[in-house]
Amino acid sequence: AQSVTQLDSQVPVFEEAPVELRCNYSSSVSVYLFWYVQYPNQGLQLLLKYLSGSTLVKGINGFEAEFNKSQTSFHLRKPSVHISDTAEYFCAVSSNTDKLIFGTGTRLQVFP
Amino acid sequence: GAVVSQHPSRVICKSGTSVKIECRSLDFQATTMFWYRQFPKQSLMLMATSNEGSKATYEQGVEKDKFLINHASLTLSTLTVTSAHPEDSSFYICSAKGGQGLYEQYFGPGTRLTVT
Repeated sequence: AQSVTQLDSQVPVFEEAPVELRCNYSSSVSVYLFWYVQYPNQGLQLLLKYLSGSTLVKGINGFEAEFNKSQTSFHLRKPSVHISDTAEYFCAVSSNTDKLIFGTGTRLQVFP
Repeated sequence: GAVVSQHPSRVICKSGTSVKIECRSLDFQATTMFWYRQFPKQSLMLMATSNEGSKATYEQGVEKDKFLINHASLTLSTLTVTSAHPEDSSFYICSAKGGQGLYEQYFGPGTRLTVT
């Protein structure tokens, strides 16, 4: 069975500071990894995904994530956050099945 | 590209009535659609997976007679909440994916259901 752990339920940060949102997964098979962002009362928007190849993945809005197989992690980073980055962020894992398994989410709160 | 719409965005209904939510893929053919439920400040819980032209596959604990899913075409799936009760109030989100080898799901904007 697959699972995703997002250890931080909330991450407060000041504007223009760097941020890292942590994601760890467990799986007995090869996985595909995703980060989604959800703004209030909206659906999910894909930030980035890792399917294969380079372990450093660049996404939209200046976000990037690094797949670390040995540590089973896929942490999301941004070097300088903006107020508009305030949102809920979900890490998700999928294998060859269609299902996406989501983590519990991390609330990123950016303060001026 | 890869836009998914949901209708309605918000719906309020009385207890005991049924509500239908539509999910459409606007610019691609969705061979598979997914329905999720999200409680306040919680993660998404997969309710069911539907493939065009076949019966939906429900997750454990999800009542298939209560949450009727129809995936009649490659661009439309519907979720009908039958005999709704206040505990069915939630945010329902659909997603869609199309073709083989595409592991990405595209999400709709969600439907807020409130049962009074």
